Amino acid sequence: KQEVTQIPAALSVPEGENLVLNCSFTDSAIYNLQWFRQDPGKGLTSLLLIQSSQREQTSGRLNASLDKSSGRSTLYIAASQPGDSATYLCAVRRDDKIIFGKGTRLHILP
Amino acid sequence: DTGVSQDPRHKITKRGQNVTFRCDPISEHNRLYWYRQTLGQGPEFLTYFQNEAQLEKSRLLSDRFSAERPKGSFSTLEIQRTEQGDSAMYLCASSLGTSGRLEETQYFGPGTRLLVL
Repeated sequence: KQEVTQIPAALSVPEGENLVLNCSFTDSAIYNLQWFRQDPGKGLTSLLLIQSSQREQTSGRLNASLDKSSGRSTLYIAASQPGDSATYLCAVRRDDKIIFGKGTRLHILP
Repeated sequence: DTGVSQDPRHKITKRGQNVTFRCDPISEHNRLYWYRQTLGQGPEFLTYFQNEAQLEKSRLLSDRFSAERPKGSFSTLEIQRTEQGDSAMYLCASSLGTSGRLEETQYFGPGTRLLVL
């Protein structure tokens, strides 16, 4: 059974710092891995999707990497801003389902 | 509006009542998904449609839950005889699938928050 774990569960960093969020999964047979952002009480916004054949994706200040063999992904956020404060969810996909982690609650201190 | 929409955004009901939620996907998307998210957890898959066909149902979807997508466009999720444990955010997502593998990006709606008293 696929399990997705995100560490840390919560993180507070001063504005301007670079930071890394971690995601691990137990079954490497995935189609893709996706990072989402969720603001309190809101739906999910897709940030980056990495196909199983890819090793990383970049969008603006965000960079996501995928090491399928070791079951790990990282989301790197450069030059953090208060507007980056949200919960970040990692999700892996195989067949019909997306399996989500519990998320990392990120708070950027002004 | 080109995004996924859900209605209502909030629903408070008494235990034992029936509730129905609606999801309108992005217009050209052929795939539609329902998820449930409880506080402090990631979303959990409930069910999935390709066009009007319901192709997968999670074991989380008890007999009290039913989902439909009659014309391959909007979808409804009904919960009968609601229980307090049904309180959660119900999220809908849609995608445009062009291959046999399900590897495209899913776009999520804002969710319907259900509170069962």
